[in-house]
Amino acid sequence: DAGVIQSPRHEVTEMGQEVTLRCKPISGHDYLFWYRQTMMRGLELLIYFNNNVPIDDSGMPEDRFSAKMPNASFSTLKIQPSEPRDSAVYFCASSTRENTEAFFGQGTRLTVV
Amino acid sequence: QKEVEQDPGPLSVPEGAIVSLNCTYSNSAFQYFMWYRQYSRKGPELLMYTYSSGNKEDGRFTAQVDKSSKYISLFIRDSQPSDSATYLCAMSATNYGQNFVFGPGTRLSVLP
Repeated sequence: DAGVIQSPRHEVTEMGQEVTLRCKPISGHDYLFWYRQTMMRGLELLIYFNNNVPIDDSGMPEDRFSAKMPNASFSTLKIQPSEPRDSAVYFCASSTRENTEAFFGQGTRLTVV
Repeated sequence: QKEVEQDPGPLSVPEGAIVSLNCTYSNSAFQYFMWYRQYSRKGPELLMYTYSSGNKEDGRFTAQVDKSSKYISLFIRDSQPSDSATYLCAMSATNYGQNFVFGPGTRLSVLP
C-alpha cells in the first residue's frame, strides 16, 4: 500500500480564494482524520470520519472550513474564503478501530498571501 | 493549562548521548500513550506505543509511563544524527485513534 496520499503537496493562494485539499486514506481503514499543524498551536485535530460519516467536527475553526468524505477512498477539506491565518501544514491520517496507530500523509503546506 | 505539555526545545546533543524527552498531561482518563517522530517536511510516524503505566523497550528506544504523576518519557540511547527530528507525544483514553491528543513536540538535533 502506498500509504495515505495527499494532494497537492504545496498550495499558494491569494486571500479570499477557495482552497481544496485532497486525501486518499489507506485501503481498509475506516477512520479518517484531518489535522492542522502550526508552530504556535502544534498539531490540532480538525475533524474525523468513521465509515465516511463525520463524527466530530468540533475542531473546525469556523464556517469557512468544510470537509467531506463521499466514499471510503477519498476526502476533501475545503476553505472558502481563505485567509492568511489559515497558512499551515494540513495532514490527513487514517486508522482502523483495531489499531491505535494513525498513519499520516505527507501533508499539504498551505500559504495564503 | 494545556491538556498535554511538552518542552518545545530545541534540544541539541552530541552523537552517542542519551536523550530524555518528556510530556506531562492533565487528563487522568488517558490510558494509551504514543510517541511519534516527525522528520522535517514529513508526516508524523508512530515510534512507540504503551498502554497504562510501565516501561517498553524497542532497540535504542525506551518509553516510560508514570500515570500517578501524569508523566511520560522517551529515552533514546546511543543517539544518532538520523534521530534528529521533532518528537510528539500523543495520548488517548481509548484504544482507537479518534481521541488522540498531541503534545506540541520537541525538536531534537543530534550533532555528529
